[in-house]
Amino acid sequence: DAKTTQPNSMESNEEEPVHLPCNHSTISGTDYIHWYRQLPSQGPEYVIHGLTSNVNNRMASLAIAEDRKSSTLILHRATLRDAAVYYCILSGPNTGNQFYFGTGTSLTVIP
Amino acid sequence: GAGVSQSPSNKVTEKGKDVELRCDPISGHTALYWYRQSLGQGLEFLIYFQGNSAPDKSGLPSDRFSAERTGGSVSTLTIQRTQQEDSAVYLCASSSPDRGQPPLHFGNGTRLTVT
Repeated sequence: DAKTTQPNSMESNEEEPVHLPCNHSTISGTDYIHWYRQLPSQGPEYVIHGLTSNVNNRMASLAIAEDRKSSTLILHRATLRDAAVYYCILSGPNTGNQFYFGTGTSLTVIP
Repeated sequence: GAGVSQSPSNKVTEKGKDVELRCDPISGHTALYWYRQSLGQGLEFLIYFQGNSAPDKSGLPSDRFSAERTGGSVSTLTIQRTQQEDSAVYLCASSSPDRGQPPLHFGNGTRLTVT
């Protein structure tokens, strides 16, 4: 499996930015970095993905280190609805185009 | 448009019985994945179908588990002689054939309880 390492849990105050880190020191040149989140009693939901350059979409931003061995998911203004488990995943030919989910980071948003 | 649909949403079965779980992927999606999620745990990969290629079955935990995908669309995950440790949420996901590692689209899962 292509390994990623994330903190088990994080807390954030509502309406403040959240930076969720992920280490992936064994990433290969063709692996994409994906982020998903899972709300209680739901299937995971796609958040964002990228290869080398930083990415922005309506949900979040993805900052990728220059050596690609780490990345950070940025939620610009946390809301209570952002409370979820966030998974950082590598996928590409090196992983057989599979997506291996770890245990993720459980984000608590404090009102 | 319609997302990934899984049925049933809940299934309670007795130990030793066989169960079938169904997944209807998004139309046009060539890749289909099955995962299992035990209570409070992350997702465990089970099996992966890509187009007409032979499926990657490397994640199936035992020979009691099997899956098929008919006509490149609907998939069925079968668990024979169910055991209590099979109790979990079974999640299906599909993705499009686009380049650039397109994202997975998940269904809401089937919660299986083996009594």
